[in-house]
Amino acid sequence: QTVVTQEPSFSVSPGGTVTLTCGLTSGSVSSSYYPSWYQQTPGQAPRTLISNTNTRSSGVPDRFSGSILGNKAALTITGAQADDESDYYCVLYMGGGIRVFGGGTKLTVL
Amino acid sequence: QVQLVESGGGVVQPGTSLRLSCAGSGFTFSSYVMHWVRQAPGRGLEWLTVISEDGSLKYYTDSVKGRFTISRDNSKNTLYLQMSSLRAEDTAVYYCATDPVVPTGVRYFDHWGQGTLLTVSS
Repeated sequence: QTVVTQEPSFSVSPGGTVTLTCGLTSGSVSSSYYPSWYQQTPGQAPRTLISNTNTRSSGVPDRFSGSILGNKAALTITGAQADDESDYYCVLYMGGGIRVFGGGTKLTVL
Repeated sequence: QVQLVESGGGVVQPGTSLRLSCAGSGFTFSSYVMHWVRQAPGRGLEWLTVISEDGSLKYYTDSVKGRFTISRDNSKNTLYLQMSSLRAEDTAVYYCATDPVVPTGVRYFDHWGQGTLLTVSS
C-alpha cells in the first residue's frame, strides 16, 4: 500500500524560507496527483492553501507557493511569519476517487 | 459566501450507529462533489469518502468501507454520513468539504465545515 510521506516536523526562523515536501513510498509525485496543501492550527478546521500543485487559494499570501521538486510535491514558505506556525498537510489524488493525506508536518517558527 | 455546517456528533457506545449531516449554503450544492474527512484527537487528517454531484458515484477508504455510507439530498443541500458498528477508533472530529472538480476540473478540498465531534465510548 502506497503511503503519502511528509516530514513530521520542521523549524524555520522568522523571515526565513522553508520547503515542506510530499512524497510517495512508491513512485514519484507528479501534477497528475493534483497535489494540494492545507494549513491547520489547533482546534480549527483546515484552511486550503494550494491546489493543483501550485494554484494559491483566494486570500492566501504569495509567500506560500507550491511546486514539484524532483519526485515530490513541495510547499515553500518564503519570509515565514510567526502566524505560519501550524500543521501542514498535503493530499494526493490516487485515482478511482481516492484521496490520501500525508501525515502532516508540524512547522515551528522560532 | 460558502458555508458548510456539520451536525449530528455526540457520545455513543461502541457497536451503535449514527448519522452525521452537513448542510451547505452559498453555493450550488448539486454541482459539487462532496467529501468527509476526519481527525482523531492528536492525529492527522484522514480522508474517508467522496460522493459525486448527483450521488451516483461513491468511494471509500478501506478503514470505513462496509461500515460507513455517504449520501446526499440535493433538494435539501445536505450531505450525510451514516456510520454503523462504531468503534473507539472512530472517535474524531468529522469535517465535510467541497470539491470543485466538476466546475473547474481540479481535484481538491475547496471549502471546509467547522466539524462535528464524535466520541465512541462505553
